[in-house]
Amino acid sequence: GENVEQHPSTLSVQEGDSAVIKCTYSDSASNYFPWYKQELGKRPQLIIDIRSNVGEKKDQRIAVTLNKTAKHFSLHITETQPEDSAVYFCAASSVDTGNQFYFGTGTSLTVIP
Amino acid sequence: DSGVTQTPKHLITATGQRVTLRCSPRSGDLSVYWYQQSLDQGLQFLIQYYNGEERAKGNILERFSAQQFPDLHSELNLSSLELGDSALYFCASSADGLAYDEQYFGPGTRLTVT
Repeated sequence: GENVEQHPSTLSVQEGDSAVIKCTYSDSASNYFPWYKQELGKRPQLIIDIRSNVGEKKDQRIAVTLNKTAKHFSLHITETQPEDSAVYFCAASSVDTGNQFYFGTGTSLTVIP
Repeated sequence: DSGVTQTPKHLITATGQRVTLRCSPRSGDLSVYWYQQSLDQGLQFLIQYYNGEERAKGNILERFSAQQFPDLHSELNLSSLELGDSALYFCASSADGLAYDEQYFGPGTRLTVT
């Protein structure tokens, strides 16, 4: 089955700096890569996603890049704010086999004011 | 609020017992997913249902079973509970599970096995 690795496990940045979280996946059949944000005690919520036919996608301060050849994708958050502090999970799935998500182990991001 | 509901919110039970977790998907969603979140294992996919039928299985133990009913709500049954089963159990739903659908997560059920 799919195996997703995520780095780093913890990340601290100063407010206003950028944060980058990286994930790799193993199954070349995976074609959908969502990123979820989970605040303490809350449910995971989708913040951005990318399909395998796209190399980059941006939504305001958040961007995701995908390198299918290398099987890795990254989340970039610019101009970080304290409210960005949360755990971020990457995931990989294949919409051809039901779209169940295989999650990375999470990155705990702390933005220091 | 995602529109996905889960009950109960918290559950405390003893080893060897059996519990049932319940999930109601968003209105109109046909696919339901169950995930287990523990401190050392992260978020792990357990099982997926689509319109009442099992579609995919992940790392689900044989002691665990699930089903999706005609009204599309789903139940996850955990039996012969062990201390290691203590975790947060999330249900998620999506429109059909075969498109690039966002999965909407419920608030989770926190299970503590003592």
